[in-house]
Amino acid sequence: GAVVSQHPSRVICKSGTSVKIECRSLDFQATTMFWYRQFPKQSLMLMATSNEGSKATYEQGVEKDKFLINHASLTLSTLTVTSAHPEDSSFYICSARGQRGRADTQYFGPGTRLTVL
Amino acid sequence: GENVEQHPSTLSVQEGDSAVIKCTYSDSASNYFPWYKQELGKGPQLIIDIRSNVGEKKDQRIAVTLNKTAKHFSLHITETQPEDSAVYFCAAAMYSGGGADGLTFGKGTHLIIQP
Repeated sequence: GAVVSQHPSRVICKSGTSVKIECRSLDFQATTMFWYRQFPKQSLMLMATSNEGSKATYEQGVEKDKFLINHASLTLSTLTVTSAHPEDSSFYICSARGQRGRADTQYFGPGTRLTVL
Repeated sequence: GENVEQHPSTLSVQEGDSAVIKCTYSDSASNYFPWYKQELGKGPQLIIDIRSNVGEKKDQRIAVTLNKTAKHFSLHITETQPEDSAVYFCAAAMYSGGGADGLTFGKGTHLIIQP
């Protein structure tokens, strides 16, 4: 299957700081990327959808000013958690959909574990 | 919006036996149903998916069935092996010409294969 990477895999930060997470499609062009959040032993919840060159579409209840998403190229999307607080601690996972294989398939990255102290 | 229910939350089976995980969805507009396997600390991996224009799909030991009228779909794993132990998620989405929308996931099933 297609390869999606995330960086960093794990980050610990102090409350009030901002953290940027990168999501890259390594061997295909991703016209659409999705960002999900997963709390321990829970399911994945869709946060936002981003199309290359467009503003992201956020799900209800997700603060767009807190979770900044940029999809500047067909292989890179970034999620910035601004002014992070302990309740933002979670597993953030991106997925990419694009020109590789079937257009409807979402390939997931390995996730980023964010811990806010 | 879409709501996906998944059962059971935990399933323990003997190695070599079959495992069945069931999901229901609420939005009749959903027409794309993937299943993902997630191992601890990793991202989900697609194992099989089905679109609503078919009722069943099989890939070696894994099969998915879909009942569009009843709005439920199931994952069947035969001849289970220890490496099948993981958390399995079902999901639903609407698929249009450009691809599937963001996925709505079930709560997951922790599958345990007993040796």
